[in-house]
Amino acid sequence: GENVEQHPSTLSVQEGDSAVIKCTYSDSASNYFPWYKQELGKRPQLIIDIRSNVGEKKDQRIAVTLNKTAKHFSLHITETQPEDSAVYFCAASIETGGATNKLIFGTGTLLAVQP
Amino acid sequence: EAQVTQNPRYLITVTGKKLTVTCSQNMNHEYMSWYRQDPGLGLRQIYYSMNVEVTDKGDVPEGYKVSRKEKRNFPLILESPSPNQTSLYFCASSPLDGTPLHFGNGTRLTVT
Repeated sequence: GENVEQHPSTLSVQEGDSAVIKCTYSDSASNYFPWYKQELGKRPQLIIDIRSNVGEKKDQRIAVTLNKTAKHFSLHITETQPEDSAVYFCAASIETGGATNKLIFGTGTLLAVQP
Repeated sequence: EAQVTQNPRYLITVTGKKLTVTCSQNMNHEYMSWYRQDPGLGLRQIYYSMNVEVTDKGDVPEGYKVSRKEKRNFPLILESPSPNQTSLYFCASSPLDGTPLHFGNGTRLTVT
């Protein structure tokens, strides 16, 4: 079946450094790629997303890049802060009955930002 | 406030005792879905619904049932819970085009 692989599973960085999380997907028809942040004990919340007609999207310290040919996309966080510590999930859409609601999630990356 | 509301937040039960986790959204979303979250496995889809009276299996549907009698509600039913259904459950909703997906606050279920 379709799947999304996410690496690394854990990532520790010093405050102020950059963090990069990478995902690969298998469905060449995928066209929507969101990233979710889940703080401890809380629900996943969308932080940024990208569609297949765009190669890069940026929102302040967060950016996502997409390489459709290679079927991989990445989350980049610059100038990391302790409040960036959380689990991050990538996801890719797959076609279901003509709609694109179904998201396949990666297994998550635990990011720890050391002060 | 636009939100997805799940209840209860925590539930401890015994094997075989039927339970229902409720989910309600106030955003008039067509699409609703249930996920379970387990360490190292990420978020796996249990069931989803693209509109009233339309439901379909996700990746891990065994042991679960759902219904979608009204647009706003999408309860998750465990007819005979087993310990391997101990997990953190999330309900989510979105417009039909799938973007973005809004999650509820989660239900932590323990089956002994």
